[in-house]
Amino acid sequence: SQTIHQWPATLVQPVGSPLSLECTVEGTSNPNLYWYRQAAGRGLQLLFYSVGIGQISSEVPQNLSASRPQDRQFILSSKKLLLSDSGFYLCAWSLGGSGFYNEQFFGPGTRLTVL
Amino acid sequence: GDSVTQMEGPVTLSEEAFLTINCTYTATGYPSLFWYVQYPGEGLQLLLKATKADDKGSNKGFEATYRKETTSFHLEKGSVQVSDSAVYFCALGGNQFYFGTGTSLTVIP
Repeated sequence: SQTIHQWPATLVQPVGSPLSLECTVEGTSNPNLYWYRQAAGRGLQLLFYSVGIGQISSEVPQNLSASRPQDRQFILSSKKLLLSDSGFYLCAWSLGGSGFYNEQFFGPGTRLTVL
Repeated sequence: GDSVTQMEGPVTLSEEAFLTINCTYTATGYPSLFWYVQYPGEGLQLLLKATKADDKGSNKGFEATYRKETTSFHLEKGSVQVSDSAVYFCALGGNQFYFGTGTSLTVIP
């Protein structure tokens, strides 16, 4: 069966510090991968998605970036965090190869607080 | 473009009450439709799905029917429990994936 891991679970970082969040998927090949952000009491904002190694699509201009160095690894980064980067970050995967018709499966999330 | 419109919350119900959370969509093609549930501090879990018109998705007592004529996918449950308290998201998958804004449900004993 497929599983998705995210770490760390919680993170407290000062403004201006770098960020690296990691997501890995097991039990499937060539998945579509997604990063979402959820601000407190709000809905989901799609940040990035990837349909293959090295292929990243950005949905929202910001100081965040994403990379996919391996088929089942997706990394969210920032060089300098802002207060507004605080939130709940969710990684998700779906079966690749058929657009976005398939359901997405979510990881447990990372709670990021920028002070 | 495609979009999903979801009933605003929050919704508060007594245990064993009937639940309806409305969801309507706009799409140019034939999307898949989903309901997700998010418990506090957790990621989203797929609750149910439907991939074509008139399909009914069901899970854990929740149901939703893909209505093409009314472009709707309303979530229903006949008798809610305290453990159903969570945020529910309607979603559409097609050329892109879209989530509704979420509806917070609180069930009181």
